[in-house]
Formats: sequence, C-alpha cells, structure tokens
Amino acid sequence: QVQLLESGGGLVKPGESLRLSCEASGFTFSDYYMNWIRQAPGKGLEWVAYISSSGSAIYYADSVKGRFTLSRDNTKNSLYLQMNSLRAEDTAVYYCARKGAYSGYDTFDHWGQGTLVTVSS
Amino acid sequence: DIQMTQSPSSLSASVGDRVTITCRASQSIGRYLNWYQQKPGKAPKLLIYAASSLQSGVPSRFGGSGSGTDFTLTISSLQPEDFATYYCQQSYSSPPNTFGQGTKLEIK
Repeated sequence: QVQLLESGGGLVKPGESLRLSCEASGFTFSDYYMNWIRQAPGKGLEWVAYISSSGSAIYYADSVKGRFTLSRDNTKNSLYLQMNSLRAEDTAVYYCARKGAYSGYDTFDHWGQGTLVTVSS
Repeated sequence: DIQMTQSPSSLSASVGDRVTITCRASQSIGRYLNWYQQKPGKAPKLLIYAASSLQSGVPSRFGGSGSGTDFTLTISSLQPEDFATYYCQQSYSSPPNTFGQGTKLEIK
C-alpha cells in the first residue's frame, strides 16, 4: 500500500534552517508529482510547494518562495524540503502528499503522517 | 488566486442527522473540487474528487454536488466516526492549490 513517511522536523530558532524528508513506498515514486502541505497549530491547510515527477518543474507558495527549496531523488524514492531563514509563522505540521489524478481531476490522494516544525526563540 | 470559502465554520449535529457543508469558489472552477476529512492528530483523507466522485473505500453516506462556484458535501446519516474537520480544495488552477478554511463537525 502507499506509504509516505516524513522526518526531519524539530525546534529551531528564527533564521535557522531545517531539512525535511519524505520517504515513499508502495507505488512508483518517479511517476508522480509530489507536494508539501502544512498546517499551523489549530489552523487550516496551506499548500507549500510541488515538484513534477522528473523534478523539472517546481512551484512554491508566495509565503515560502526564496526561502524553501524542494527537490527529489527518484533513485531513493525520496522528497526533500530545505527550509532556510525560518520564521515563527512557518511553525506547522508539514505533510508530504502525492498528487493523484482521477479522470483528469487532480487530488492529494495520499498523505504522510506529518512532521512538526516549531520556530521559536 | 482562487479563494475558497466554506460555511459554516463549525457545526453541531447528532448521530443519524443529515448534514450539509457548503464551499464557494471566488471564480468558476467547473467540477475541479475535492473534499477531505481530517480527524484530530491525523493527516487529511481524500473523500470526494471532481465534485461528486467518491474515493475508493469511502462510505456511500458521503456525497458531493455542485459545479461552477457552489458546492456541497452531504453526509446522509452521521456516524460517530464522521465527527471531524472537513476541507474543500480547488484543483482548477494551480499553483497554488487552495483550500477552504475548514468546517469542524462536532457532536451535539
């Protein structure tokens, strides 16, 4: 079955960096676009970034553009999010999510369990 | 960016009730509308895609309808496991993929 396992979260100070990882299994990772979606404590869902199956196309939310870098290694079935210049407002649970297409309609059809990033002095 | 607005933000209901949650898009999105369910401490789960298509394994008491700018999620007979937060999300125009703010469904 499809599994997505995030890691790398933790407590950091404002301005510091963190690298999140998402290890995929149970499907052909290199066939799928992948996303990071975050959820601040007690808040709703915010899409952060996505990367195409080959890694040739990457898009970011305006809130993280220039600070976060998304990459993938299809040989390791892994997705990465390098987060630099972290701010208090980046505090959230970060989810790795697969983009699934059903009859031409895109969805986030599988999600990891999430990893918590806390930015605080 | 397309804005998604859900109503109500919270809702109290009883087991067995029929419940409807509404999602409105700031511009027409055809049927490019998904619904997710999230339970406390868990990741969201895809319930409905393309406005009305049930994801595999989702109980038939869940239904979706609408097109253009107005959409609804209906639970025909609430079960104890349905108390959760529900989010709509548009996939018509991305990036960004935008979500509604969520509707928290609580036990009355």
